[in-house]
Amino acid sequence: QQKVQQSPESLTVSEGAMASLNCTFSDGTSNNFRWYRQHSAKGLEVLVSIFSDGEKEEGRFTAHLNRANLHVSLHIREPQPSDSAVYLCAVSRQGTGSKLSFGKGAKLTVSP
Amino acid sequence: EAGVTQSPRYAVLQEGQAVSFWCDPISGHDTLYWYQQPRDQGPQLLVYFRDEAVIDNSQLPSDRFSAVRPKGTNSTLKIQSAKQGDTATYLCASSFLRANTGQLYFGEGSKLTVL
Repeated sequence: QQKVQQSPESLTVSEGAMASLNCTFSDGTSNNFRWYRQHSAKGLEVLVSIFSDGEKEEGRFTAHLNRANLHVSLHIREPQPSDSAVYLCAVSRQGTGSKLSFGKGAKLTVSP
Repeated sequence: EAGVTQSPRYAVLQEGQAVSFWCDPISGHDTLYWYQQPRDQGPQLLVYFRDEAVIDNSQLPSDRFSAVRPKGTNSTLKIQSAKQGDTATYLCASSFLRANTGQLYFGEGSKLTVL
């Protein structure tokens, strides 16, 4: 069964400084990777999806994927206090009906 | 376009009581998922449907949990004889298989507290 682990569990950065979050997965055949953001008592908002090794940018959010190292990361450029939320890494394999396996999440706090 | 709608948003029960959660997916989405998210944990898949058929319910505690999607549109997740360990947010998501993006769209969730 897929294991998805995120680090760090929590992170505090100052407004404007880069924030970086990490995610490792166990199934090397995985080929769908997404980062979601979850504000308190709200649903999940997809930030960026990546399907092949390399980098994918969506606005201030950039995902880096290295499947050989079973690692995907999220970098947030110029974070703002409104970016304070829980960030979830989700992994799936095409052909599995989009069954996502999630990490526990990382709590990001952006201080003014 | 309306998103995924869930109700109720909040429920508080005593142990042993029953509760039903309702989900209205995005119009035209053929696949519907129910996830359980305990506090400070990531969501965990309980069950998912393609149209009205259950595709995978292997993680659904079958003795007390049940889920249906009778017409392939709305869905109901029911918990009978709730336990404190069922305290969690129940998230519904939908997707369109033929779009082949693997993109899921989530509702805001139903937060359950069992006392």
